[in-house]
Amino acid sequence: DFQLTQSPSFLSASVGDTVTITCQAHVDINKFLNWYQHKVGQAPKLLISDASTLQIGVPSKFRGSVSGTNFTFVITDLQPEDIATYYCQQYNEMPLSFGGGTKVEI
Amino acid sequence: QVHLQESGPGLVKPSETLSLMCSISGGSMSHHYWTWIRQPAGQGLEWIGRLHPDGSSNFSPSLESRVTMSVDTSKNQFFLNLKSLTAADTAVYYCARVAAAGSFEHWGRGILVTVSS
Repeated sequence: DFQLTQSPSFLSASVGDTVTITCQAHVDINKFLNWYQHKVGQAPKLLISDASTLQIGVPSKFRGSVSGTNFTFVITDLQPEDIATYYCQQYNEMPLSFGGGTKVEI
Repeated sequence: QVHLQESGPGLVKPSETLSLMCSISGGSMSHHYWTWIRQPAGQGLEWIGRLHPDGSSNFSPSLESRVTMSVDTSKNQFFLNLKSLTAADTAVYYCARVAAAGSFEHWGRGILVTVSS
């Protein structure tokens, strides 16, 4: 199966902080990676597609970038409403797959 | 706005078959893949498989032998059957629409399915 290594698995930060989550693919996936926000009791929400394309209506405090096989997701000015688990997901090859998730707490 | 809603039993017995339905409103099924994803308690998201109304499909290798998916475009419904259930299949099951770019752009709220005797 495709290896998508997401880190950290847990992150605790303060209000106003900038937090960074990484996702590493074991091979080149041509930027075919998405980021989701999953709040407890809600459906996951697509935030960023194709490594860096912010979805319509998603605040610019969320940002994605890529360098080679290393993908980075950044949240600036962390707020209580950002508490969630964040997942990366690759669609370069089958089976589609998610990273292990990063639980963000304040 | 596209809206998806999962329905089905909340409790099924081991060795039985789980049947879930995803009802879709606000858009046509015809031009998209539709997918099922699950999340076991305390674990991450697991992709189960996807189906296009033209019959194209892909499945997770770990589940492929037990999974069947189907669509009824006349009723805007998408189905999952998962057979030979065990406790490990206990999870929240989500249906979602797949965007052309391979992202899961619209999701249902999910349905908790417990496998227990």
